[in-house]
Amino acid sequence: GENVEQHPSTLSVQEGDSAVIKCTYSDSASNYFPWYKQELGKGPQLIIDIRSNVGEKKDQRIAVTLNKTAKHFSLHITETQPEDSAVYFCAASISNFGNEKLTFGTGTRLTIIP
Amino acid sequence: NAGVTQTPKFQVLKTGQSMTLQCAQDMNHEYMSWYRQDPGMGLRLIHYSVGAGITDQGEVPNGYNVSRSTTEDFPLRLLSAAPSQTSVYFCASSSGRDSAGGYTFGSGTRLTIV
Repeated sequence: GENVEQHPSTLSVQEGDSAVIKCTYSDSASNYFPWYKQELGKGPQLIIDIRSNVGEKKDQRIAVTLNKTAKHFSLHITETQPEDSAVYFCAASISNFGNEKLTFGTGTRLTIIP
Repeated sequence: NAGVTQTPKFQVLKTGQSMTLQCAQDMNHEYMSWYRQDPGMGLRLIHYSVGAGITDQGEVPNGYNVSRSTTEDFPLRLLSAAPSQTSVYFCASSSGRDSAGGYTFGSGTRLTIV
C-alpha cells in the first residue's frame, strides 16, 4: 500500500518568514495530494490540494508543488502569521473519480514565533 | 448547515465494554470514512463507505465494525474495547465527485479505554 513520509516533524519560524514542509510518497499510481491544517482540539481542515496533472498550485500565501518523477510534494507558506501555527498533514491517494482512500503523513507541528 | 457531526466528544470505557461512535453529515456526501489519530502516527483509515449499503476496510479495521444504512449516518462500533483503541477518532465525508472540495472532517471523539 501507499506510504507517505513527512518532514520535519516540528518547525519553528519567525513571523513573516516562509515555512516549507515536505512529503514523499511510495505509490507511483497516487494522483491526488491534499494538505490539511489541524488546530488544537479540532478536526483537520483542507487548505489546498493538487492533482498529478499539475506541477504547482497557489492560493494566496499558500502554495503546493509536486514532483511526480521524484515522488515528492511540498507545502510552502509565505509571510507567516501567528494564526498559521498548527499541525499540518500531507496525504496521498489514488483518485478514481472521487474514490479516495487517503494515506496521511505523520504531521508537522508549525510554530510561528512573534 | 452543520457539516460533519460526531458524538460524543469524550468517552471513557472499561476494557471489554462496547460502544458506538456516531457520525452524521448533512451535505449529501457519498463518501464517508473513519480515521484514528495517535501521537506520531498521523491519521490512519479504519473503515470507509462509498455510499449507502457499501462499506470496506481501511488500514486498521480490526476491532471495529461499521454500517451505512443511510447516506447521512456512518456509525463506528467497538464490540469489545481494548486499551490499544484509546485514540482520537475522526469521521470525514466527501462528495465523491472527483474529490471536489476534499474531505470534511468532524471535530473528533476522544476515547479512553481503561
